[in-house]
Amino acid sequence: DVVMTQSPLSLPVTLGQPASISCRSSQTFVHTDGNTYLNWFQQRPGQSPRRLIYKVSNRDSGVPDRFSGSGSGTDFTLKISRVEAEDVGVYYCMQSTHIPLTFGGGTRVEIK
Amino acid sequence: EVQLVESGGGLVQPGGSLRLSCAASGFSLSKYWMHWVRQAPGKGLVWVSRIKNDESGTNYADSVKGRFTISRDNAKNTLYLQMNSLRAEDTAVYYCVTDRWLGPADWGQGTLVTVSS
Repeated sequence: DVVMTQSPLSLPVTLGQPASISCRSSQTFVHTDGNTYLNWFQQRPGQSPRRLIYKVSNRDSGVPDRFSGSGSGTDFTLKISRVEAEDVGVYYCMQSTHIPLTFGGGTRVEIK
Repeated sequence: EVQLVESGGGLVQPGGSLRLSCAASGFSLSKYWMHWVRQAPGKGLVWVSRIKNDESGTNYADSVKGRFTISRDNAKNTLYLQMNSLRAEDTAVYYCVTDRWLGPADWGQGTLVTVSS
């Protein structure tokens, strides 16, 4: 299985400041079609998860452009350019190239 | 607008069975692969199963293989998860999720399954 490891576990941030979450995989996961299926999800308190990013760096419809994804190989990053109060929650990375699909353990973003 | 509504959760004894349903509206289920993803109380997300849009292929996490069966009725726009031989560690909120760009995309509100005597 591809193991996804996120850091940090908890990320206190100041409103208006940038934030960065790291996701590392135990192996590369390039699909036979040449794509790397790395997704990022946001789960606000008491809500269902919502996908923010697919295929490493593509924003889903309606996702603010302050969210961006990058990376390659086994190293990936989700960045929030300027954190807003509504960004509080837990963020998960997930690879969907190989079965079983695997999630990272999550990073809790909170306001300082 | 994509809407997914899960139902069928509840309290069941260890060894028991439950069938979850996910009613889709606002789109044709037949166009999408679908997933079930679960989340134990206070824990992270865990992928459970996936089914192709024409039921030509299914996949399962090792932890549920042989006990859970994913299926769909495209005519009814409904996804199912039959869960047998339930264990305490299956206690979780179960989410029904569409697949877009080969990854879980749109999520339902979830249904809670509690396995306890």
